[in-house]
This record gives sequence, C-alpha cells and structure tokens, in this order.
Amino acid sequence: QKEVEQNSGPLSVPEGAIASLNCTYSDRVSQSFFWYRQYSGKSPELIMSIYSNGDKEDGRFTAQLNKASQYVSLLIRDSQPSDSATYLCAVKDWRYSSASKIIFGSGTRLSIRP
Amino acid sequence: DTAVSQTPKYLVTQMGNDKSIKCEQNLGHDTMYWYKQDSKKFLKIMFSYNNKELIINETVPNRFSPKSPDKAHLNLHINSLELGDSAVYFCASSVGGSQETQYFGPGTRLLVL
Repeated sequence: QKEVEQNSGPLSVPEGAIASLNCTYSDRVSQSFFWYRQYSGKSPELIMSIYSNGDKEDGRFTAQLNKASQYVSLLIRDSQPSDSATYLCAVKDWRYSSASKIIFGSGTRLSIRP
Repeated sequence: DTAVSQTPKYLVTQMGNDKSIKCEQNLGHDTMYWYKQDSKKFLKIMFSYNNKELIINETVPNRFSPKSPDKAHLNLHINSLELGDSAVYFCASSVGGSQETQYFGPGTRLLVL
C-alpha cells in the first residue's frame, strides 16, 4: 500500500468552478499534512499546511483534514487558468525530529478550462 | 536573490560517467534535502542534512553520495551513472529540526544516455 495516494488525473474543471482534490494516507499516527503546487517544469511550492481535523481556509484555497478516515482534501474556489498545475499531497513522517521527512503522493494534474 | 540555487540546471551524460550537482541556500537554514522526481512526477526524498550531519538516508544506491561542506551547501555526487538515474533532482532547505516548510531549488534535469 502506498503511503500517500492521490488520483493522478487529469482533473478538468471549468473556470470559476470549484476544484476538489483528494488524498489518503496510510500512517494513522501522522500529524502534519501539506499541499504543494507544481507548475510544469518548475519546483514544488507549499500552498497549504493543516494539522487539525476540520477546515483551514486561505484565500481561494481550503484544506480539509479527517484523521479518522485518513483523508485530506484541497478545494480551490473560483478556479482560474493559473491554477492549472500538478498538486502534490504530502505527509510528514513523525519519526524524525532533526529533519522534516516529507512523504509525497504522486500528484493530481489539474486543468482549468476557460 | 535566489533562495535555493542548484547547478547545473541541465546535465546530459553517458552511462558510466560520474557527475556532481551542487546546491546552495542563502536563507540561513540549518537543514537541507535532496529529492528525486522521476518521469511519473513521483517526488521522493533521498537525503537530509542538519547542520552538516546526515539525518535522513533513504534506500538509495551507494553510487549516490551527498556531501555537506557547511550548512549552506549540500552537494550530490553520483558514480557510474545508469539509465534509471535520469530524473529531476531537487534540493530543498528548511529552518531546521522539525520545521516542515521546505523551500525547493529550481531542479537539475539529468539525462543519462
């Protein structure tokens, strides 16, 4: 079983709609969860982090965490063409304290169509 | 002002060669990382150093050897390159310890022929 699983997509969403990206993880002790965005040919950049059950909102982005179901999601409201990218779900391995070992999913490719 | 920089940006080489990739960060961070992203975009950690000490050493062939001369630099040397080493290699840094926010370099695209 993969540690962090995502649907690879592509997920195609019309401009202005809500894009919903989903992720599940296998280690139920995990405490820290992240969403990274990666444009084609570029490096990943952190867009959201979430640590507690429930929703966390930042602008058009909302991260949702359900530890009982081992499920993390990212909602993008009012989707823009500039949101077209690969979104990587990531989970921190709790066993390390001197460094931050992040385990990434394989990413979901999101395409916003005008 | 580049926060995390890598050289070279592109590297094309023959099987069996030895090559190095350099990484430097000017953020004052204590922890640096090397990641490999394969053709399917799967991003996987290889190594991490905290203030020049090796902390994370994943299951990576021993042909790969990281070196950290100081906390601002983390280089990656690869011996006897193989076709399967073709990937994008990203360097990253974070403040230190368990601080999770990692800042990635632009990547080095390695192609082994």
